[in-house]
Amino acid sequence: KQEVTQIPAALSVPEGENLVLNCSFTDSAIYNLQWFRQDPGKGLTSLLLIQSSQREQTSGRLNASLDKSSGRSTLYIAASQPGDSATYLCAVAPSQGGSEKLVFGKGTKLTVNP
Amino acid sequence: ETGVTQTPRHLVMGMTNKKSLKCEQHLGHNAMYWYKQSAKKPLELMFVYNFKEQTENNSVPSRFSPECPNSSHLFLHLHTLQPEDSALYLCASSQDPGYYGYTFGSGTRLTVV
Repeated sequence: KQEVTQIPAALSVPEGENLVLNCSFTDSAIYNLQWFRQDPGKGLTSLLLIQSSQREQTSGRLNASLDKSSGRSTLYIAASQPGDSATYLCAVAPSQGGSEKLVFGKGTKLTVNP
Repeated sequence: ETGVTQTPRHLVMGMTNKKSLKCEQHLGHNAMYWYKQSAKKPLELMFVYNFKEQTENNSVPSRFSPECPNSSHLFLHLHTLQPEDSALYLCASSQDPGYYGYTFGSGTRLTVV
């Protein structure tokens, strides 16, 4: 059974700092991995999607990497801003046939202090 | 807006009430999902519909009853819920098998009193 772990559970940094969020998964047979952002009480906003054949994806100040063989992904946020404060969720799509069902981690709650 | 719209945004209901959650997407996706998010727990998959057919029921109690009349609309009918069912209910869609990722709605915050 696929399990996704995110470390740390919470992170507080001063504005301007570069930071890394970690995600690990137990079964390397994945279709893709997706990073989401969730603001309190709100839905999920997709940030980056990495296919299993890719090593990384970039969007603005965000860079996500994927090492499928070791079951790890990182989300790098450059020059953090208070507006980046949110919970960041990592989810993997198992590669079994049929409808794909995301498996989520519990998230990392990020606070960026002005 | 992400392209997946959920209504209502907030819902308070008594344990004997019957209510429905609605989800709508106009992204051309053919798979739709219901997820439950409780405090301090990972998101839990409840139901999957693919081309209007239910392909997954993740051991969800019968007091939750999904309905998918077409590939663009998904409902979650609720009846005789328990206080522990209070949670954020999220709808998502994808172009099965999800190669292009998943799009989530803003969720319905449900409180059972």
